[in-house]
Amino acid sequence: GIQVEQSPPDLILQEGANSTLRCNFSDSVNNLQWFHQNPWGQLINLFYIPSGTKQNGRLSATTVATERYSLLYISSSQTTDSGVYFCAVTDSWGKFQFGAGTQVVVTP
Amino acid sequence: EAQVTQNPRYLITVTGKKLTVTCSQNMNHEYMSWYRQDPGLGLRQIYYSMNVEVTDKGDVPEGYKVSRKEKRNFPLILESPSPNQTSLYFCASSLGPERAGYQETQYFGPGTRLLVL
Repeated sequence: GIQVEQSPPDLILQEGANSTLRCNFSDSVNNLQWFHQNPWGQLINLFYIPSGTKQNGRLSATTVATERYSLLYISSSQTTDSGVYFCAVTDSWGKFQFGAGTQVVVTP
Repeated sequence: EAQVTQNPRYLITVTGKKLTVTCSQNMNHEYMSWYRQDPGLGLRQIYYSMNVEVTDKGDVPEGYKVSRKEKRNFPLILESPSPNQTSLYFCASSLGPERAGYQETQYFGPGTRLLVL
């Protein structure tokens, strides 16, 4: 199956800082999504981004499908950004594969 | 309100006692899926369904059954639960798929915390 690697595994930020999270995948994919799991366990979709660049407020994402990686940018981080960020990809048969996640802690 | 619902949210049971976790979506989505989340292992797909009466195994299907008799419902069945199935379970759905690929955002339910004694 497709291997998904996320880095860094952990990230501690001071409020207001910017950061970049990375997702590498081992094969071509039909779908790539970024999710945020908040401290209460809820999983929220951030971006559906198989290729290109998207922005939503302080978050943006870029996927370079030909080079098999995606980046999630968090700008002007806030304490509410804390949680785990997952990258997930789908193969051509609809099977999903999640990365191990990046644990983000934003301190006041 | 568009949503994916799961019941129960919390469940404590004993080894061998059959249980069912229900999942329902009101968005007319074709694709539905079950995941389990364990510390250090992330989210792993158990089963998924591309449409009614179509189900496929994910990465960790052993010990689980699913059925998709209606578009909106996708129950997860544990015929004989064991302690290693203690986990946090998520159901998800999306509009997709094209047969050649999966083209839509996935929406997750709130999760079901299962403890098997």
